[in-house]
Amino acid sequence: QVQLVESGGGLVKPGGSLRLSCATSGFTFSDYYMNWIRQAPGKGLEWVSYISTSSSHTNYADSVKGRFTISRDNAKNSLYLQMNSLRAEDTAIYYCARDYSGDKTDYWGQGTLVTVSS
Amino acid sequence: DIQMTQSPSSLSASIGDRVTITCRASQSIASYLNWYQQKPGKAPQLLIYATSSLQSGVPSRFSGSGSGTDFTLTISSLQPEDFATYYCQQTYSTPQTFGQGTKVEIK
Repeated sequence: QVQLVESGGGLVKPGGSLRLSCATSGFTFSDYYMNWIRQAPGKGLEWVSYISTSSSHTNYADSVKGRFTISRDNAKNSLYLQMNSLRAEDTAIYYCARDYSGDKTDYWGQGTLVTVSS
Repeated sequence: DIQMTQSPSSLSASIGDRVTITCRASQSIASYLNWYQQKPGKAPQLLIYATSSLQSGVPSRFSGSGSGTDFTLTISSLQPEDFATYYCQQTYSTPQTFGQGTKVEIK
């Protein structure tokens, strides 16, 4: 079965950096675009970034552009999010999610919590 | 960016009730509208995609309709496991955007 498992979250000071990872299994990872989507505590869902199958295309929400970098390693079936210059407003649960043909997000990981606080 | 507005923000209903949640887009999104269910402490789960297609494994009491800018999610007979927050999502254009959520609570 499809599994997405995020890791790397934690407490970081404003201005700091963190790298999130998402290990996948149960499907051909290299066939799918992948997303990062976040949810601030008690708030709604916000798309953060996506990456194409071969990493040739990436896109970011304006709120993270220039600070976050999405990447993937198809040989390791893994997705990453490098987060730099973190701000308090980046505090959220970060979900790794599979994109199906650009039309729907059909599988989500359990999320990893990132807390930005001094 | 396309703004998605859900109504109501919350509702109280009883077991067996018919529940309808609406989602309005700030511009036409054709049929590129999905619905998700999220329970506390859990990741969202896809219920409906492309406005009205039921995701595999989702009970048939869930249905979706609409086109253009106005969409609805209907639960025909509310069950105890349906108490959750529901989100709409447009994938017509990047960035994909979500509604603010509708919390369905027990009356």
